Amino acid sequence: AQSVTQPDIHITVSEGASLELRCNYSYGATPYLFWYVQSPGQGLQLLLKYFSGDTLVQGIKGFEAEFKRSQSSFNLRKPSVHWSDAAEYFCAVGPSYNTDKLIFGTGTRLQVFP
Amino acid sequence: DVKVTQSSRYLVKRTGEKVFLECVQDMDHENMFWYRQDPGLGLRLIYFSYDVKMKEKGDIPEGYSVSREKKERFSLILESASTNQTSMYLCASSLETSGNTIYFGEGSWLTVV
Repeated sequence: AQSVTQPDIHITVSEGASLELRCNYSYGATPYLFWYVQSPGQGLQLLLKYFSGDTLVQGIKGFEAEFKRSQSSFNLRKPSVHWSDAAEYFCAVGPSYNTDKLIFGTGTRLQVFP
Repeated sequence: DVKVTQSSRYLVKRTGEKVFLECVQDMDHENMFWYRQDPGLGLRLIYFSYDVKMKEKGDIPEGYSVSREKKERFSLILESASTNQTSMYLCASSLETSGNTIYFGEGSWLTVV
């Protein structure tokens, strides 16, 4: 079955520390992979996406993610977290042929301490 | 700039009421979606539409219907609201071409009492 797992429900980091949010997927075909961020009370904003090519993808707000096919993972990273990064982060996977079948993970809530 | 607008941000409705959630996008996107977001469950697709007057059921369509009379507008309808439909509802849109980004509205918080 197709699925996305975000094993960490809640992560707390200090401002300035590095961050890695985990995402594992189970998908039979070539996946399209996405990371979205949701600030409190807001909709989702795309951080980055991977379709093909370089497995290290750069996104907005200083985020990057690395696709590792052998581990079925697409982890999100940021070298130095800012207080404004506190939000909920969603990983999503979809087929290569359309975006109407995106499967979302359950999200990871990031808390940043000063 | 990309814009998906959900006209009602916060609603409180009574059990049994008919509820309309409206969504408008200004990007001429073919695809439009309604998701439901609940803590611990992430986003679940209720319905999507890939063209005017076209609709497809998502993962949790029970208790919901949709309407798309114009390309830019996609409405979610709760025929008879129930307390278990209390949730955050997110509208989204995307271009038809594969792999395109889905753009989300800010969400509608619905409480059914």
